[in-house]
Amino acid sequence: QSALTQPPSASGSPGQSVTISCTGTSSDVGGYDYVSWYQQHPGKAPKLMIFEVSKRPSGVPDRFSGSKSGNTASLAVSGLQAEDEADYYCSSYAGSNNWVFGGGTKLTVL
Amino acid sequence: QVQLQESGPGLVKPSETLSLTCTVSGFSISSGYYWGWIRQPPGKGLDWIGSIYHSGSTYYNPSLKSRVTISVDTSKNQFSLKLNSVTAADTAVYYCARDLQQYDYWGQGTLVTVSS
Repeated sequence: QSALTQPPSASGSPGQSVTISCTGTSSDVGGYDYVSWYQQHPGKAPKLMIFEVSKRPSGVPDRFSGSKSGNTASLAVSGLQAEDEADYYCSSYAGSNNWVFGGGTKLTVL
Repeated sequence: QVQLQESGPGLVKPSETLSLTCTVSGFSISSGYYWGWIRQPPGKGLDWIGSIYHSGSTYYNPSLKSRVTISVDTSKNQFSLKLNSVTAADTAVYYCARDLQQYDYWGQGTLVTVSS
């Protein structure tokens, strides 16, 4: 299985909105509603931000939202804040008890 | 509060076996769920290794399957990772996490370096 494709970087000014894409195939992102997103600050463990495409765990601000269209999933962050600056990774079920991560996107708050 | 903590050697020689243990607190492994391992090479992205159910059922990344064994010890509330025939490419931070088809609780991670 191949890694999901994410843009290496994204950026936005405080208060603005930004969207990060995660492109796979019909065998992973497009085939299942098991897409999740993780936020990782430097030197820290990843934190679950979105699961099952668009669900938010308790405690995650509603500024974070997820969606999917075809083979591409997206993470949207609205009202950007300085603490949103981090690396973001998507993950998807890929069938036959296999999972795959994206390469990661570095989000910079300008 | 569910907490996970990885432990094991931080340095492993090439061709030898990497062994790590994840100790879970605040939740009994026997209660259910899968428990997984994920790694992250320095400066790179996340790489899924595999998961185990409390009953011992496992599934592994096909690219690592020939070298990986994940086991569980419910009496100690621990699960473990063994990766044999390691090379420098296996140098990474290794994380353990609770697997609900997404990883909701993670350990802090432990750096394992493969070097002679």
